[in-house]
Amino acid sequence: EAGVVQSPRYKIIEKKQPVAFWCNPISGHNTLYWYRQNLGQGPELLIRYENEEAVDDSQLPKDRFSAERLKGVDSTLKIQPAELGDSAVYLCASSKSGGKNTEAFFGQGTRLTVV
Amino acid sequence: GDSVTQMEGPVTLSEEAFLTINCTYTATGYPSLFWYVQYPGEGLQLLLKATKADDKGSNKGFEATYRKETTSFHLEKGSVQVSDSAVYFCAPRSNDYKLSFGAGTTVTVRA
Repeated sequence: EAGVVQSPRYKIIEKKQPVAFWCNPISGHNTLYWYRQNLGQGPELLIRYENEEAVDDSQLPKDRFSAERLKGVDSTLKIQPAELGDSAVYLCASSKSGGKNTEAFFGQGTRLTVV
Repeated sequence: GDSVTQMEGPVTLSEEAFLTINCTYTATGYPSLFWYVQYPGEGLQLLLKATKADDKGSNKGFEATYRKETTSFHLEKGSVQVSDSAVYFCAPRSNDYKLSFGAGTTVTVRA
């Protein structure tokens, strides 16, 4: 079974430029998460989807960040414009359901460097 | 929201030493508790979990017991190997279904 696939693995952009990250969750997983992990810290939730609906986006900086999950499968996270402080690893995860007992499977992440 | 306090690292041990990583949490309701591990160059993966009080999760020689009275979920391994070198994250998950991660504890095991 393929795991959570993210692309690109690495991205370097200049500040004020836009950037997008793509995530393909495990087949059959209805719940999809985007996390941001700053250096030396634990991941922090940005947004959670149940199928195509964003059910928790309270931590998403909506002035510059946007996300979509069309057809309830793949998802894209966008930043426009990027700032120096956005440098981090962006993680995508999926699970079969949003239940609190279920395991979330993580992709390898996209490491973003804003210069 | 939920929060996690993990033992600060880095932790450096010799092979076959005993490892303990402390984790305490605050959470709404009755959370499930997870330990995730991140090996060098790899993504986060589940190490073990416990879903109710006094449950013991175990995997790869690691164990953690859900202590509701002390809101703790300490990770232990009796004899570590070099291959256990990684970053370990404690993560409660409450009824809002959000995984809340601690800062992580970096463990280095020397041969």
